[in-house]
Amino acid sequence: KAGVTQTPRYLIKTRGQQVTLSCSPISGHRSVSWYQQTPGQGLQFLFEYFSETQRNKGNFPGRFSGRQFSNSRSEMNVSTLELGDSALYLCASSSWDGSDVEQYFGPGTRLTVT
Amino acid sequence: QQQVKQSPQSLIVQKGGISIINCAYENTAFDYFPWYQQFPGKGPALLIAIRPDVSEKKEGRFTISFNKSAKQFSLHIMDSQPGDSATYFCAAVNTGFQKLVFGTGTRLLVSP
Repeated sequence: KAGVTQTPRYLIKTRGQQVTLSCSPISGHRSVSWYQQTPGQGLQFLFEYFSETQRNKGNFPGRFSGRQFSNSRSEMNVSTLELGDSALYLCASSSWDGSDVEQYFGPGTRLTVT
Repeated sequence: QQQVKQSPQSLIVQKGGISIINCAYENTAFDYFPWYQQFPGKGPALLIAIRPDVSEKKEGRFTISFNKSAKQFSLHIMDSQPGDSATYFCAAVNTGFQKLVFGTGTRLLVSP
């Protein structure tokens, strides 16, 4: 089985712009979660989608949003970028069938805001 | 109550030695505790995980010890190798919410 894929791998944006990141989960997985990783704050949960519905949300401002498509692929959008949004954005997928709850991470998208 | 405290922040172990990383949590609703290994430039990779009804789980050179009453769990890496040099994160999750709460990470260096 192919792993979690994320595109693009690297992005450089300017303050005030917006950005869309993409994640393709492991085949058969219906749950996709997004995390932000920074040296200062570590790994923080952004939100989780299951069958196109956002089930859980972390403590991030409304500039961070996401969606999930019927094929389980997910996108994350950040509007009005700030310097502090520079981070590694990680996507994790899970089958979430009750007994199997493991989350598998993709390689991440490195976002730099200048 | 959502925090997971991890120690030490960094660790240097000689090749062949035992690496031990500790984590503690407060939220008794957590019911699944995975460990992740992350190499520079890569995403975290699931290493091993445990549920609170088990006190120990071993997979190869990696062992999780779990103390439910103390709300602590630890990762032991036996016969540590230079290839184990990476950052290790403990995590906890209430599987009803699928939201991983991560520790702050331990940077492990195994010297040859």
